Amino acid sequence: AQSVTQPDIHITVSEGASLELRCNYSYGATPYLFWYVQSPGQGLQLLLKYFSGDTLVQGIKGFEAEFKRSQSSFNLRKPSVHWSDAAEYFCAVGPFFNKFYFGSGTKLNVKP
Amino acid sequence: GAVVSQHPSRVICKSGTSVKIECRSLDFQATTMFWYRQFPKKSLMLMATSNEGSKATYEQGVEKDKFLINHASLTLSTLTVTSAHPEDSSFYICSALAGAGADTQYFGPGTRLTVL
Repeated sequence: AQSVTQPDIHITVSEGASLELRCNYSYGATPYLFWYVQSPGQGLQLLLKYFSGDTLVQGIKGFEAEFKRSQSSFNLRKPSVHWSDAAEYFCAVGPFFNKFYFGSGTKLNVKP
Repeated sequence: GAVVSQHPSRVICKSGTSVKIECRSLDFQATTMFWYRQFPKKSLMLMATSNEGSKATYEQGVEKDKFLINHASLTLSTLTVTSAHPEDSSFYICSALAGAGADTQYFGPGTRLTVL
């Protein structure tokens, strides 16, 4: 069965510190992987995606993610967090029969 | 990037009335759109997959007679909540498939529905 796990519900980091958000997936085929960010009361914005090739992908707003097939992981990273990065982050996998599977989200708080 | 709009962004209605939410792909054509519902502090719950020119595919447990979906053109899908009740109050988000292989979802900004 297809599923996505984001083990951390909440994460708090200090502004300027590095960030890593975890994502593990279970998928019956070669995965397409996505990270989205959602600010309060807003829709989801695509940060980056992995389809194939280089396992380290760069996204918008200084984010990157690394695909590790052996660990079934696609962790999101940022070297230096800004206060404006405070939001909810969702990992997703798909499409599988035209359907996408989302993790439960990780809420990021940024301390000044 | 691909842009998806939703209208209205907020709507308040009385119990028993119907509400229509529009989802538009502004700079691309979308044969497939999705409708999600998001509860507070929760992830997205897929309600249905909307395909242009055909009937929507509803997820298990979603009442198709209550949540009417129409995808009449390649840029517009609508969700109508019929005979709305307070328990239908939620944040509704649409997305559209775009990209070279129509393999990436782009999301609208969402619609906050409050039923009194």
